[in-house]
Amino acid sequence: NAGVTQTPKFQVLKTGQSMTLQCAQDMNHEYMSWYRQDPGMGLRLIHYSVGAGITDQGEVPNGYNVSRSTTEDFPLRLLSAAPSQTSVYFCASSSTGTGANVLTFGAGSRLTVL
Amino acid sequence: GDSVTQMEGPVTLSEEAFLTINCTYTATGYPSLFWYVQYPGEGLQLLLKATKADDKGSNKGFEATYRKETTSFHLEKGSVQVSDSAVYFCALSAGSNYQLIWGAGTKLIIKP
Repeated sequence: NAGVTQTPKFQVLKTGQSMTLQCAQDMNHEYMSWYRQDPGMGLRLIHYSVGAGITDQGEVPNGYNVSRSTTEDFPLRLLSAAPSQTSVYFCASSSTGTGANVLTFGAGSRLTVL
Repeated sequence: GDSVTQMEGPVTLSEEAFLTINCTYTATGYPSLFWYVQYPGEGLQLLLKATKADDKGSNKGFEATYRKETTSFHLEKGSVQVSDSAVYFCALSAGSNYQLIWGAGTKLIIKP
């Protein structure tokens, strides 16, 4: 049971480059989300989805795009990377029934933008 | 709006010491409350939760009681181990959009 799988674990980009962080879950969870974690700032929600074809913005969506074409996958796209997007990114999922808010997290993707 | 406030860290203790990490919240309605833990180099994982007033969540020797009168959900453990060194996050869920409101996290360091 893989849970939530994020790739890549590490990435270095130059300012202006674009890239996609991949997230896949095998638990048939309806809810998926992306967070960024910065020192002293806890977790901040970027985007989330409550099912295939449905996405919405979180607290800090600017500079990021998401799509949800399948239940399993929820990629996060950086359109034009900026140094302010240097962070650790976490994908998390949960059911929307009785297990709602019991999030399963991926191991994280550390992104550095030069 | 809803918010969660945790004690600032790092909290440094010796092995076998008693642990308390304070968490207070502001919310309308009747939120569910959670403690998540992040071990070094890993993602977060649920430690315990409570869904209504006076509920006690417990796991791995950790406990927290949902106190509506003091709007608190303090995390406690009677005897900590070096392996408990991690960052602990308090969170609440109050709405219907499946989102959590997070505290800033408290880093716990246990020395042998």
